[in-house]
Amino acid sequence: SQKIEQNSEALNIQEGKTATLTCNYTNYSPAYLQWYRQDPGRGPVFLLLIRENEKEKRKERLKVTFDTTLKQSLFHITASQPADSATYLCALDMVDNTDKLIFGTGTRLQVFP
Amino acid sequence: DAGVIQSPRHEVTEMGQEVTLRCKPISGHNSLFWYRQTMMRGLELLIYFNNNVPIDDSGMPEDRFSAKMPNASFSTLKIQPSEPRDSAVYFCASSFLETQYFGPGTRLLVL
Repeated sequence: SQKIEQNSEALNIQEGKTATLTCNYTNYSPAYLQWYRQDPGRGPVFLLLIRENEKEKRKERLKVTFDTTLKQSLFHITASQPADSATYLCALDMVDNTDKLIFGTGTRLQVFP
Repeated sequence: DAGVIQSPRHEVTEMGQEVTLRCKPISGHNSLFWYRQTMMRGLELLIYFNNNVPIDDSGMPEDRFSAKMPNASFSTLKIQPSEPRDSAVYFCASSFLETQYFGPGTRLLVL
């Protein structure tokens, strides 16, 4: 069955540095991958979508890469700020012609001033 | 648009009681999802509706759980009877194209 892995340990970095989060998957080939942000007590919020034929996508300080050979996506936040502190979830499509997604368990990012 | 609306935001009930969670999706979105989130298992898909029709309910834990979508602007998730292990945050999401928009969630505690 499909499996998604995100680093369950929190990532602690200093303000201004680049945060890099990893999402690995096994046992299938998704057509696209998404990243969501979740703040405590709130629902996930969509950030970026990258398709299998795209290597990289950027949005302001965010950058996502998608390596279908390694079955891995990297999520970068450059010039990180304390306001970027949150849990970040990766999600993959289920390759069944629906809008269903499989979510990873998320990685908590803490940016210190 | 106000986004996806869920009610109640918090629910505390006793084991054996019936619980009904409500969701109003974003207008124009034709897919609706119910998820459950716990620390141990993360975000799990319970059921998926497309154009008000249940397409995939394979994630519904057992017969105690049921969901309906009588029209494009309203869905319910019912748990009857509730058990302590049902305690979790329940999210409703609607989608446009591939992107999902989540509601604020209902935090359920079953004592």
